[in-house]
Amino acid sequence: EPEVTQTPSHQVTQMGQEVILRCVPISNHLYFYWYRQILGQKVEFLVSFYNNEISEKSEIFDDQFSVERPDGSNFTLKIRSTKLEDSAMYFCASTRTGGVYGYTFGSGTRLTVV
Amino acid sequence: DAKTTQPNSMESNEEEPVHLPCNHSTISGTDYIHWYRQLPSQGPEYVIHGLTSNVNNRMASLAIAEDRKSSTLILHRATLRDAAVYYCILRDNRDDKIIFGKGTRLHILP
Repeated sequence: EPEVTQTPSHQVTQMGQEVILRCVPISNHLYFYWYRQILGQKVEFLVSFYNNEISEKSEIFDDQFSVERPDGSNFTLKIRSTKLEDSAMYFCASTRTGGVYGYTFGSGTRLTVV
Repeated sequence: DAKTTQPNSMESNEEEPVHLPCNHSTISGTDYIHWYRQLPSQGPEYVIHGLTSNVNNRMASLAIAEDRKSSTLILHRATLRDAAVYYCILRDNRDDKIIFGKGTRLHILP
């Protein structure tokens, strides 16, 4: 069964540093998403991406965050200057269309900001 | 996003059926009912979705009330591996995202 692949599985970074989280969505999917989950809390929507542009973003997704699909297979989330409160699990997801199909999520990247 | 209401937690015995309820009294005509689950230390996993009719797949069944104001996810024979948080989510087919609530934490007793 096709999978969404995320790398790295765990990243530790110093406060103020830039991090890039990487995802390889399922190849025939067209819609891509990033979510995050702070330990013990709900899964929160960050951003959706379609046709090489952001289609929707949440209040969490401020100017410190950016997304890119640089080469037609990878989908990345960049945090420019990490803060302690950015520590969380970050999940990438993709779906075939924006309509009724289910999302496929990756296993996540655990980001720890120290 | 339309709201759903789920019990915070439920328990069931292994190898018995489990019925996970969800209320969504403000559902609109274009909302699909989606269910996801999240096993410990993993990402969310799609389980099933439906609009009006009951649905079955290899993981579960979804029973939708005639007025669509509630639904029930049915696991026919629970295993220890089914212990997870189960999320009932309404998704407008024009909407570009799904929003997770707190879900129901399902405990399976051996």
